[in-house]
Formats: sequence, C-alpha cells, structure tokens
Amino acid sequence: QVQLQQSGVELAKPGSSVKISCKASGYTFTRFAIHWIKQTTGQALEWTGYIAPGNGGTKYNEKFKGKATLTVDKSSSTAYMQLSSLTPVDTAVYYCARGGNLDYWGQGVMVTVSS
Amino acid sequence: DIQMTQSPASLSASLGETVSIECLASEDISNYLVWYQQKPGKSPQLLIYAANRLQDGVPSRFSGSGSGTQYSLKISGMQPEDEGDYFCLQGSKFPYTFGAGTTLELK
Repeated sequence: QVQLQQSGVELAKPGSSVKISCKASGYTFTRFAIHWIKQTTGQALEWTGYIAPGNGGTKYNEKFKGKATLTVDKSSSTAYMQLSSLTPVDTAVYYCARGGNLDYWGQGVMVTVSS
Repeated sequence: DIQMTQSPASLSASLGETVSIECLASEDISNYLVWYQQKPGKSPQLLIYAANRLQDGVPSRFSGSGSGTQYSLKISGMQPEDEGDYFCLQGSKFPYTFGAGTTLELK
C-alpha cells in the first residue's frame, strides 16, 4: 500500500535550518510528484511547492521561495524539504503528499521555532 | 493567486441529516477541485477529486458537484464518523490554494 513516512518532530532556534524527509513506499517513486503543505494552528493550509522525482524539477509557491528547498534521493525514494532562516512564523506542521490530487499524505512533521 | 472562499466555517448536523459545504473560486478552475476530510491530529484524507469523482474506499454518501467557480461537497446522511474538518483545494493554477476549512460536528 502507498505510504509516505515523514521524519520526526523538529525543535529549532530562530535563524537555523531544518531538513525534513518523506520516504515513499508502495508505488514507483519517480511516477508521481511530491507536494509539500504547511498547516498552521487554526487549520490554515498553504501549498509550499512540489518536486518531480523523475527529473528533479520543482515549482515553488512564490511565498516560500528562499524559505523552502525541495530535493529528492531516488535511490532511497525519499523527498526532502529544507526550511532556512527559521522564524516563529515557520512554526507549523509540514506534510508531504503525492501526485496531482495529493491523494496520499504523510503523517506530518511538527516544526517548532523558538529560542 | 486563486482565492478559495469556503463556507460555512462551521456547522452542526444531526444523525442522518444531509449537509453541504461550498467552495467559491475567484476564477474558473475547470473542475480541478479536490475535497479532503481531516480528523484531529491526523493528515487530510482525499474524498473527492476532479470536482465529482469519489476516491476509492470513500463512502457513497459523499458526493461532489459544481463547475466553473462554484463547487460543493454533500454528505447524504450524517454519520458520527463524519465529524471533522473539511477542506477544498484548487489544482488549476499554481500556487495551489486551499479553502479555509469547515468544521463539521454532530449535533
């Protein structure tokens, strides 16, 4: 069955970076894009961007350019999102999701930015 | 960016009641509309894609309709397990954008 397994909770200091992972299984990794979504307290969902694992092509939400960097490791079927220059505004749950319909989602990673 | 205006923000329904949730797009999204359900502490689950196509495994009491800028999700016969948050997503243009969500409770 399709699964997206994300890495664990992150507690980071302002100004630092974190790199969260999303390991795919149960399907051919290179056939579907991986999207990343931010969910803040109070539910609001924001699409951060996507990466096409087959060729590494990316598309970012302008709002997250310079903040998020998406990469993949095809050998391990894992997608990554690095968040840089963290501020408390970046505190949220970050999900990865598969394909154009975002049909399968990871369990989410809670990133907390606090001094 | 395409704005997705979702309504209502919350609603309460009795067992067996039919409920509807609406999403209004700021421009024509050509049926690139997806509905999700999210339970507390869980990730969103896909219910409906392409505005009206039921995802495999989703109960048939869920249905989607609409076109152009107006879309709706209907639950025909509220069940206790239908409590949760519901979101729409437009995938017509980048950046993809979500509705603000609807919280559905059992009365």
